[in-house]
Amino acid sequence: GENVEQHPSTLSVQEGDSAVIKCTYSDSASNYFPWYKQELGKGPQLIIDIRSNVGEKKDQRIAVTLNKTAKHFSLHITETQPEDSAVYFCAAPHGGGATNKLIFGTGTLLAVQP
Amino acid sequence: SAVISQKPSRDICQRGTSLTIQCQVDSQVTMMFWYRQQPGQSLTLIATANQGSEATYESGFVIDKFPISRPNLTFSTLTVSNMSPEDSSIYLCSAAPGQETQYFGPGTRLLVL
Repeated sequence: GENVEQHPSTLSVQEGDSAVIKCTYSDSASNYFPWYKQELGKGPQLIIDIRSNVGEKKDQRIAVTLNKTAKHFSLHITETQPEDSAVYFCAAPHGGGATNKLIFGTGTLLAVQP
Repeated sequence: SAVISQKPSRDICQRGTSLTIQCQVDSQVTMMFWYRQQPGQSLTLIATANQGSEATYESGFVIDKFPISRPNLTFSTLTVSNMSPEDSSIYLCSAAPGQETQYFGPGTRLLVL
């Protein structure tokens, strides 16, 4: 089955700086990689996802890159703001391939210092 | 996308009792899932709620402890049975309208005394 590792576990940046969170996965058949943001007391919110037929996807200040050969994908947040402070989770299909089931990384607590 | 609500949002229960959590989606969805998130931890999939048939449980989770219902394409329930303090956690419902993307509810925060 799939195994997802996420680093770092905590990340502190100054407002306006960039933040990068990295995940690796084990199953080469995995083809869908979402990122979720979880604020305190709330459920995870999907912020961006990428499929294995593209190498990069952007949405305003957020981007995700995928390296299928190395089996890793990264979340990039530019011009960070205090409201970006949250826990971020990456995920990959549980069992690889086309499946709805997800296995999650261990999470990254991002703190943006004003 | 899908908008998901859960009830109750939180509860404090006595050990040995059971709690049923409801999950409602604003549109018909293909798949619904239940996750557990222990304090400060990641999400662990409990089971896939199958419409009209028995749920599919992940390793370490059993139907007697976590019975699940899914009577239609917009609603599901998870019961946490015979609770112990180790069941204190956040329980999350998610829905997948299509093949991949999952949307999550706000979660139910459970404390067992």
